[in-house]
Amino acid sequence: SQQGEEDPQALSIQEGENATMNCSYKTSINNLQWYRQNSGRGLVHLILIRSNEREKHSGRLRVTLDTSKKSSSLLITASRAADTASYFCAVGWRGYSTLTFGKGTMLLVSP
Amino acid sequence: GAVVSQHPSWVICKSGTSVKIECRSLDFQATTMFWYRQFPKQSLMLMATSNEGSKATYEQGVEKDKFLINHASLTLSTLTVTSAHPEDSSFYICTVKGQGDGYTFGSGTRLTVV
Repeated sequence: SQQGEEDPQALSIQEGENATMNCSYKTSINNLQWYRQNSGRGLVHLILIRSNEREKHSGRLRVTLDTSKKSSSLLITASRAADTASYFCAVGWRGYSTLTFGKGTMLLVSP
Repeated sequence: GAVVSQHPSWVICKSGTSVKIECRSLDFQATTMFWYRQFPKQSLMLMATSNEGSKATYEQGVEKDKFLINHASLTLSTLTVTSAHPEDSSFYICTVKGQGDGYTFGSGTRLTVV
């Protein structure tokens, strides 16, 4: 399967702590994207990182990409209760226009 | 990025009936749209690629006669779930690939078949 694999499946932390989620994939990619989904709702695009990039930042979010290990991580710093959601990585494959999603990480941030 | 409108946001239908879901690209001419399905607590799985003016391309295991896709214009793709059954209850979401690598997702449609 080309599907990205994420870990952990679930993560529970306290407000103010950092949350790290990981994503691994199997073949060469064009880019990797992270999305957020609140329960039962649509997807919100967070960050896109291209295969020739190693790190990107957006506010409290930091994404890294290690193409040699075929893995990416999403770090949310100083988490807030409002960050509670499911987070998915999605890979864009070379030569294909579709996105393949990982299984997701459910993040619970307690006040 | 593109602005995508998906309708309805939720629908309840009786078993055996058909349901149509619309996905509109409001400010971008989308030659290609994608339809995903998400079962509870699971990831999004690609169902099909909708191509303007031609037949959709379905992923393995997705019944093309059950999930009818029509992409008659550059701004509208529709997914019709025919003869719906309770196992078709799911969250259906469309997406438009804009210029470059960006994708914009619709807000999704939660289908419940009773």
